[in-house]
Amino acid sequence: GAVVSQHPSWVICKSGTSVKIECRSLDFQATTMFWYRQFPKQSLMLMATSNEGSKATYEQGVEKDKFLINHASLTLSTLTVTSAHPEDSSFYICSAKGGPRSERGTTETQYFGPGTRLLVL
Amino acid sequence: GQNIDQPTEMTATEGAIVQINCTYQTSGFNGLFWYQQHAGEAPTFLSYNVLDGLEEKGRFSSFLSRSKGYSYLLLKELQMKDSASYLCAASDSNYQLIWGAGTKLIIKP
Repeated sequence: GAVVSQHPSWVICKSGTSVKIECRSLDFQATTMFWYRQFPKQSLMLMATSNEGSKATYEQGVEKDKFLINHASLTLSTLTVTSAHPEDSSFYICSAKGGPRSERGTTETQYFGPGTRLLVL
Repeated sequence: GQNIDQPTEMTATEGAIVQINCTYQTSGFNGLFWYQQHAGEAPTFLSYNVLDGLEEKGRFSSFLSRSKGYSYLLLKELQMKDSASYLCAASDSNYQLIWGAGTKLIIKP
C-alpha cells in the first residue's frame, strides 16, 4: 500500500511555456500532499504544502503565481510551472501522507512519487 | 530555530556495518523518519521512531533518544545496492517535517 504516482516522469519544454505535473495517491486518500524541488547533488527543498479543497501554503521564497498548485481531490494534486525558464529546470517530487498505518510507519509518513524531471530550453 | 544535522558523506565496505547519525532541534517533536534516496530517484520510506529505543527491521535498524535529540540508522551486511543518500527528517509540533541535507553513503567492494 501507500503508492504515489507522478506524471509525466520527464518533460522538455521551451522557455515561456507552462508545464503541469500530476501527483496521485493510488491506494489511499491523502490528507495532505507536498511538492518538493531538488537540484543536482542538493537536498530536498519543500516548495508548498497542500490540503484538499484549500489553498496551498507556500514556503518562503517560492512564488505562488509561478508555481500553481491545485488539490482537487483526496487523491490528486497538480503543480503547474507557469512561464517556465531554464532556471526552473529541476527534479520535482511530490509526496502524500494520510496512508494506511503500517507496522513501521504512521499516517504522518510521507510517501513519495517517482519525481518529474523538467528541462526548460 | 529548527535544525537537523547529519554527516555529508560516509564510506563503508561491502559486508560491513555502518551507523549514520542524526541530531535534531525542533519546536516540539512528533517522531523521526529515515528515508533512502538513490541517485536520480525519489526518496523511499525506511523507518519511523517516536519512542526511545531501537527498532530493528531486517538489515536496517533505527534508534532514537528523545532526551538527546539524537537518532541513528544502522545498516548491517552492507550490499553495493545500499549506496545511496540517507535522509533524516524530524516531525515538529505541527507535524511538519524538518529535513536534513542527507548523508551520501558510498559502499566499496
